Amino acid sequence: SAVISQKPSRDICQRGTSLTIQCQVDSQVTMMFWYRQQPGQSLTLIATANQGSEATYESGFVIDKFPISRPNLTFSTLTVSNMSPEDSSIYLCSAQSSSAYEQYFGPGTRLTVT
Amino acid sequence: SQQGEEDPQALSIQEGENATMNCSYKTSINNLQWYRQNSGRGLVHLILIRSNEREKHSGRLRVTLDTSKKSSSLLITASRAADTASYFCATDAPGYALNFGKGTSLLVTP
Repeated sequence: SAVISQKPSRDICQRGTSLTIQCQVDSQVTMMFWYRQQPGQSLTLIATANQGSEATYESGFVIDKFPISRPNLTFSTLTVSNMSPEDSSIYLCSAQSSSAYEQYFGPGTRLTVT
Repeated sequence: SQQGEEDPQALSIQEGENATMNCSYKTSINNLQWYRQNSGRGLVHLILIRSNEREKHSGRLRVTLDTSKKSSSLLITASRAADTASYFCATDAPGYALNFGKGTSLLVTP
């Protein structure tokens, strides 16, 4: 199984600012994803982080608001831009290798926007 | 978009009892995965069951899959207080992402 770390684990940010969340996997993986979990809700996919190309965003999520980078097979970042209180959520990255179907998750980043 | 729907939404049992959670989904799947989440933390992968499997065991966990009914169940036997968490089923979505259900909140009291 892949071990995934995220930084920061939590943050409190002011409205209008941006936060970049880092996701590091301990092995090379084919697929990396970013999910959002709003308070008391389930997980919603934000985008698939593609290595060496632009991320693929789900309906309702746009690159200007959630720019994503994936410079190599073990690392990705998600930026939450121009934040508002509605962006207060847990943001989770996940990874899946091409040799297995299991998808593993990082510990999440708990973001509070004031 | 959410495909899985867990039932019940909340479950409260005493230590030593068994806990059963159900998951229903809408479209054909290749795999179904169960996860545990403790109090707003990251998701812990519990078990994956493939569409051609009917039952799978891992320790105190037993997962069944009925593709004809588009449903799965997670049984936790001899529950412990440490099993208190939210449990999610997730089905595969296009591009290898996952569709998550709303989850079952399990409370195990001593």
